[in-house]
This record gives sequence, structure tokens and C-alpha cells, in this order.
Amino acid sequence: AQSVTQLDSQVPVFEEAPVELRCNYSSSVSVYLFWYVQYPNQGLQLLLKYLSGSTLVESINGFEAEFNKSQTSFHLRKPSVHISDTAEYFCAVSPSGSARQLTFGSGTQLTVLP
Amino acid sequence: DAGVTQSPTHLIKTRGQQVTLRCSPKSGHDTVSWYQQALGQGPQFIFQYYEEEERQRGNFPDRFSGHQFPNYSSELNVNALLLGDSALYLCASGNWGVFGPQHFGDGTRLSIL
Repeated sequence: AQSVTQLDSQVPVFEEAPVELRCNYSSSVSVYLFWYVQYPNQGLQLLLKYLSGSTLVESINGFEAEFNKSQTSFHLRKPSVHISDTAEYFCAVSPSGSARQLTFGSGTQLTVLP
Repeated sequence: DAGVTQSPTHLIKTRGQQVTLRCSPKSGHDTVSWYQQALGQGPQFIFQYYEEEERQRGNFPDRFSGHQFPNYSSELNVNALLLGDSALYLCASGNWGVFGPQHFGDGTRLSIL
């Protein structure tokens, strides 16, 4: 079984400041890791994923996350946030070889302030 | 190319009633998964359907059941509704044989009075 802990339920940050959203996981098997974003009254959109290879993965809108196996972490970072980044962010894991059952963290609400 | 579509968008029921939620997967997808997202929580996996059979199930009681049709669309049924069943129900689709990210619909908001 897998579990995911998102250490911060709410993260307020000023526009153009850097941000890090923390995610730690627990699993007895190797895993795939994901970050999803959820805007109000919408479903989840995949932001980025780690399957294998380079431990640093990037999204098209400037977010990046680094897989740290020894610390069982997959923190999400962005060097400069925009108002439009305000949303709920979810970290998720699945057993490697299959994304058929995702286990999600409880989410982090990122609020970007002007 | 339509993504994952869910209906209805909102639903209000009373305790003890039964409800059916519907999902059409993204074009080309053959696998449907259902998740329950309570207010302020992350989504929790209910079950997954492929080839009209339930393939995996999360920790949900038998009151939660589902079905997949030959056109890959799916229904989630919940019997004997409880107040605690109030949540956003999300459907996600993908391909069984090929790894890839799951695509989520916008969900059905179920409120139990």
C-alpha cells in the first residue's frame, strides 16, 4: 500500500516570489509520482509526472519537481509564481508499471497574493 | 476531441435514497476509474472498470457499485445514501494496456440532505 503526505495545507505567497509545495510518500514497492492541479469547480489536471530516468521533471508552465528516493519526497517548486497559479495542488503515487490506482495526498491550497 | 464528460454536474439527494452518476471516457480510452473527493480532502479511489469488469477496488462498502458498457462509458451507483457520501465524484479514463496519465472529468457534486 502507498500513502502520501502533503505537509502544508495552505501556502500563501506573493506574486513573483518562489514557492515550494512539499510532498512525502511511503511505499513498499517502487512508484510513479504525480502532481495534479485543481482549479475551483473543475476536475484534476496533470501538472507533471515522474516515471523513471532523470529525477528532475518539468512542466510547460514553469513548475518542476525532483524525485528524491532516499528522502521519499517529490517536492514541487516554481521560481516565480503568478496570480493564475492560485489553485489546489495534489501529489499522488501509483505502483510503478501501472497508473491504475492513484493514491492522493490531502492537497495544498496555493494562494498567490498581488 | 471531447475529454472525459460526467453527468449530472450537481445532484441533491436525501438519506436512504439511491443515485446513479455517469461518465463518458475520453475518445480512445477503454478504462474508467472513479474517485470520491470529500470537501478539503484528496480524491480516494473507489474502483476501476475495464472490459466491463471491475478490475480494482478501493476501501469502499458494497453500497458503491458500478458498471461499464460496451462503448466504455460507465456508471457509479450508490445505494442507501448517507450524509457522509456528500462529495465530488470524479471519473478518470485511460488505456489499460498502455501506461499514461489518467484524464479526469470535472466531476459530479453530490449533496446529501
